[in-house]
Amino acid sequence: GAVVSQHPSRVICKSGTSVKIECRSLDFQATTMFWYRQFPKKSLMLMATSNEGSKATYEQGVEKDKFLINHASLTLSTLTVTSAHPEDSSFYICSASNPTGGDIQYFGAGTRLSVL
Amino acid sequence: AQSVTQPDIHITVSEGASLELRCNYSYGATPYLFWYVQSPGQGLQLLLKYFSGDTLVQGIKGFEAEFKRSQSSFNLRKPSVHWSDAAEYFCAVGAALDDKIIFGKGTRLHILP
Repeated sequence: GAVVSQHPSRVICKSGTSVKIECRSLDFQATTMFWYRQFPKKSLMLMATSNEGSKATYEQGVEKDKFLINHASLTLSTLTVTSAHPEDSSFYICSASNPTGGDIQYFGAGTRLSVL
Repeated sequence: AQSVTQPDIHITVSEGASLELRCNYSYGATPYLFWYVQSPGQGLQLLLKYFSGDTLVQGIKGFEAEFKRSQSSFNLRKPSVHWSDAAEYFCAVGAALDDKIIFGKGTRLHILP
């Protein structure tokens, strides 16, 4: 099946720094990718829809300037957490689907962000 | 508003026993319905999905789910659980296979030896 790769799998950073998370579709081109956030013992909450070549669509309550999304190519979307704070610590997961066949979404393994 | 409810936060069953995880949804149109499993520290794996056709859907790892429109439910079942089934299970809905997905809060399954 299709593979979605996320990098890094775990990152620890100091408060005030920025962190970039990459989401790659390894064997298909994805015009749309999704970014989710999972709080401890909670469900996944959709943060934004990443569209190749255009601006991301953010869900209500998600700060666009805080969580910068760039989908510069058909195989790569990045999420940058800017000026990270401890409350940004979470598990971030991306997903992508192959648009050629009405395919299901494939999820990355997630990135555990810890902000000190 | 679209929503997914998983009423059980935790469920504990003995190995070899049968399992049913409950899921109810609220959606304006006929949704795509999904069950995902998440092992500790891992991403999500799709167990099964439903949109139309036979309301009893077979998935991977011996799981099945039944869509009941009248009850707005999509419960997940397995006749005999294995210790390796211990994980977090998420029910989800979406407008299409490749559209954004709304997840339930999850049910953590514990297996007793």
